Amino acid sequence: AQSVTQPDIHITVSEGASLELRCNYSYGATPYLFWYVQSPGQGLQLLLKYFSGDTLVQGIKGFEAEFKRSQSSFNLRKPSVHWSDAAEYFCAVGAPNFNKFYFGSGTKLNVKP
Amino acid sequence: DGGITQSPKYLFRKEGQNVTLSCEQNLNHDAMYWYRQDPGQGLRLIYYSQIVNDFQKGDIAEGYSVSREKKESFPLTVTSAQKNPTAFYLCATTATGRGAAHTDTQYFGPGTRLTVL
Repeated sequence: AQSVTQPDIHITVSEGASLELRCNYSYGATPYLFWYVQSPGQGLQLLLKYFSGDTLVQGIKGFEAEFKRSQSSFNLRKPSVHWSDAAEYFCAVGAPNFNKFYFGSGTKLNVKP
Repeated sequence: DGGITQSPKYLFRKEGQNVTLSCEQNLNHDAMYWYRQDPGQGLRLIYYSQIVNDFQKGDIAEGYSVSREKKESFPLTVTSAQKNPTAFYLCATTATGRGAAHTDTQYFGPGTRLTVL
């Protein structure tokens, strides 16, 4: 069965520090992979996506993610966090040819001044 | 201005009432989805539709109903059979539908917060 795991429920980092949010998935083939960000009371905004090709993908707001097939992971990174990055982040898997999506339970990011 | 609109932003329901949440899109996307979001549980799929006049149940369809009479509209009705409807509801779309060569990217509306009084 397909599943997405985000092992960290809450993460706190200092402004200017680097960030890595973890995502592991379970899927029978190579899925399509996504990271979204959600501010309180808002919808989800797409940060980046991986379909194929280069396993390091760049997204908006200075975020990047790396697909590691051997580890079934798609971790999100940012070299220097800004206070405005405080939000909840969701990893998602898309099932090719079925047009369905599976979401992790989210990681809430707090940024200390 | 293209996008996905959901209305109302806040909705209050009394016990035993049915309520309908609106989702409209002008992106000309084929597929539309409804998710329910509860704290700490991520997004759970309620219903989805890949073409007009067709829709499928998601993982938590009990107590909900939908229709897809027009490509741009996918309203969700929360019926009195849904025992715990208080949640944040998100509508989403993808450009491609059934029979597409690959899954496309999903885009989200701003959400509706439903509270049962």
